[in-house]
Amino acid sequence: NAGVTQTPKFRVLKTGQSMTLLCAQDMNHEYMYWYRQDPGMGLRLIHYSVGEGTTAKGEVPDGYNVSRLKKQNFLLGLESAAPSQTSVYFCASSYSWPNEAFFGQGTRLTVV
Amino acid sequence: SQQGEEDPQALSIQEGENATMNCSYKTSINNLQWYRQNSGRGLVHLILIRSNEREKHSGRLRVTLDTSKKSSSLLITASRAADTASYFCATPTGDDKIIFGKGTRLHILP
Repeated sequence: NAGVTQTPKFRVLKTGQSMTLLCAQDMNHEYMYWYRQDPGMGLRLIHYSVGEGTTAKGEVPDGYNVSRLKKQNFLLGLESAAPSQTSVYFCASSYSWPNEAFFGQGTRLTVV
Repeated sequence: SQQGEEDPQALSIQEGENATMNCSYKTSINNLQWYRQNSGRGLVHLILIRSNEREKHSGRLRVTLDTSKKSSSLLITASRAADTASYFCATPTGDDKIIFGKGTRLHILP
């Protein structure tokens, strides 16, 4: 049972490049979340989904897009990366609200 | 803005001592959750306390909740080196979100 898997684990981008982060969960969870973690800022919610085909904005959605075409996958896209998006990105899933969340191991993204 | 705020930001104690960290939140909650994060890893759920509960135990963990003061505390008894980590409180908000605080960095000294 893999739980929540994030791909890739590390990535370096040049300013202006685009990329997609993949989150996959095998627990049949309805809710999925994308967070970013920066030093001294804790975790901030970027976007989330309450079920297949749904997405919603979190606390810091600007510069990111998401899609949930399949229940098990939640994709986070950066269309034009900026140095301010250098961060560690975490995906989480939850069976339902307001249950506990299960986290992936994170993606460390550096934008130069 | 963040719903929960942990206090202190950092805490260093001797192995074997108890560690207490606090969380304050702003709006009414359904439950409050505590998570641990080891360096560079994903968060792991520790304990969930519902709004109608005042205290909950899990092994060496004790969580209290005071909804009148909008605060919670996490007590780790008989600390061990393996408890060195960051601890976060999280509050599910009414619009399906789970919002985290900035965390408390706990360092257990040998």
